[in-house]
Amino acid sequence: QSVLTQPPSASGTSGQRVTISCSGSSSNIGIYTVNWYHQLPGTAPKLLMYANNRRPSGVPDRFSASKSGTSASLAISGLQSEDEADYYCSTWDDSLNGMVFGGGTKLTVL
Amino acid sequence: QVQLQESGSGLVKPSQTLSLTCAVSGGSISSGGYSWGWIRQPPGKGLEWIGYTYHSGTSFYNPSLKSRVIISLVRPKNQVSLNLSSVTAADTAVYYCVRGADWYRFDSWGQGILAMVSS
Repeated sequence: QSVLTQPPSASGTSGQRVTISCSGSSSNIGIYTVNWYHQLPGTAPKLLMYANNRRPSGVPDRFSASKSGTSASLAISGLQSEDEADYYCSTWDDSLNGMVFGGGTKLTVL
Repeated sequence: QVQLQESGSGLVKPSQTLSLTCAVSGGSISSGGYSWGWIRQPPGKGLEWIGYTYHSGTSFYNPSLKSRVIISLVRPKNQVSLNLSSVTAADTAVYYCVRGADWYRFDSWGQGILAMVSS
């Protein structure tokens, strides 16, 4: 059972907009910024979004993220086949005094 | 751009110690502002933070692993080491070396190394 809750799966067709949610609590998302990672099949995870809504250099603006209260979400617009991957949210948790991850969401592009 | 490369024992017997090394290139582990640590991923499962350490010596570990984990910086070799003792089959996973930056983000990842615990 992960500290951060994500839907196990999500899907969309090419060109669509999809969102992935990440639910936490007052000891993590409620007080810390959220980061997102994506993991293409057979590869290492890679930083996708950080500090709630900032994109690292090289990440297309099709990707966006937001945070409200104890929840966060990742949005992907103009869905492409290469977006098919696992997506993870992460932040610090004061109760555990450590980093926590969501269980991951497998995105399928239909 | 910093690059991380894991190496070490791919097969460990139960109750023994798993030892991994991460070679860092393109940046110094002694530079301020970054943490150096490990994250693992059991086969077919999600990510689990193991811990990280700063060049100052301050370390943070996953409470569920804290009693068995040591993460160290090997400065002369610009490497990060992981020692996980008393391993069981539940410790079988791909282990990733990571660099931590501001905003609690992990901005660089190694390619990962599979470590299996089996007799």
